[in-house]
Formats: sequence, structure tokens, C-alpha cells
Amino acid sequence: AQKVTQTQTSISVMEKTTVTMDCVYETQDSSYFLFWYKQTASGEIVFLIRQDSYKKENATVGHYSLNFQKPKSSIGLIITATQIEDSAVYFCAMREGPGYQNFYFGKGTSLTVIP
Amino acid sequence: EAAVTQSPRNKVAVTGGKVTLSCNQTNNHNNMYWYRQDTGHGLRLIHYSYGAGSTEKGDIPDGYKASRPSQENFSLILELATPSQTSVYFCASGDWGRNTLYFGAGTRLSVL
Repeated sequence: AQKVTQTQTSISVMEKTTVTMDCVYETQDSSYFLFWYKQTASGEIVFLIRQDSYKKENATVGHYSLNFQKPKSSIGLIITATQIEDSAVYFCAMREGPGYQNFYFGKGTSLTVIP
Repeated sequence: EAAVTQSPRNKVAVTGGKVTLSCNQTNNHNNMYWYRQDTGHGLRLIHYSYGAGSTEKGDIPDGYKASRPSQENFSLILELATPSQTSVYFCASGDWGRNTLYFGAGTRLSVL
């Protein structure tokens, strides 16, 4: 079964608007970590932001923020004031427990920012 | 800044041939990973390692072997390459201090 699911295959938004990308995950662990990564057109994959399951506050880094809804097993990525260079594929990922070293990735959401 | 280097960046192989993909990290991270990326599948874990001398199977290990001879190096080996192994392969190392992965630039493999 897919542990991390991204249902949006692609999204297009106008520049300077806000976009939300959805992600749901599946785990039996009480402690886990959720991540968003960005893959640029060149293929480079970079880490954007992380949410620890035990933290109630939503993580924020620059113009990226998360909408963590633990009861729904959901971790949405919000990008405010989108820029052309935000056009990329965004991957949601999860690492379970303190003893697990695997990262599970979703299939990705392609974002196009239109000038 | 963390550095993960993959070689080669592009490779064309023949069916039945042996292919070795190499990965070097200068971050002194214990954990290293090999993923493949295919359209419609995202990133799927092939093998990973906790440190020199260790290799573990990921979600899709069939047809692949891995080798971790040192802290810095982690190789992915296709003993008998098949066209279904045509893909983009990513190596990554894990930094548990910041609890994230650092990826290499990827290797595009075509098996003809």
C-alpha cells in the first residue's frame, strides 16, 4: 500500500498567488517526520521543509508553510506569493519512528506558475 | 554544504550487460540510499545502507545489488541489465542532525 499519497498530478497558478498542494500519509507509528522536497527542471532534488509529528505548530520556512492535520493524516504544502522559479515538481515524504531510516515518497505534484 | 556526487551522469547499456552506478558523499553521513524515479511512480527505494559494510533491501531490490565499501562510497550494481531498468537513479545521504536527505544530481540510465 502506498504510504504517501499525492492526488494532484499537476497544478497551474498565476504568479504572486497562493497555492496549496495536498498529501496524505499512512503510518501506525506515534512518532514520525514529514517532508516536502522540490525537484527543479534540471532534475535537482532539494529539501524544503519538515514537520515533526509531535509538534502542534505548523512549520514555516520563507514563503513555504505547512498545514498539518494530524487527525486526517494530512500534510499540505502552502506556497504564498508564488514566483516563476517555484515551477517544479514537489514531493511529499515521510520517515517513520526513531528507529526507521527509510523515507517514503509520494508520486509528486507538478506546479506551473504562470506569469 | 552537503555534497553527493553521482557518476556517470548518463549511461547507455546493453541488455544482459553489467552496470555499476557510483555515489560519493563528503558529508560523513552514516546512511546512504539509492532511489529510482519513473514517471507515475515518484521515487522508489532500491537499497540503502547504515554504514560501511552494510546494505539493506528497500522496496524494489529485485535485479539490483548494492555495495558500501566505505563511509563515502555507495554503489548500485545491475548484474544483468534489462530494459525495464531504464530509469533515472538518485543517490542520497542522510543527515540525522537536521533529519533530512541530500540528493545527488541523478544518473540517467538507458538499457537497450
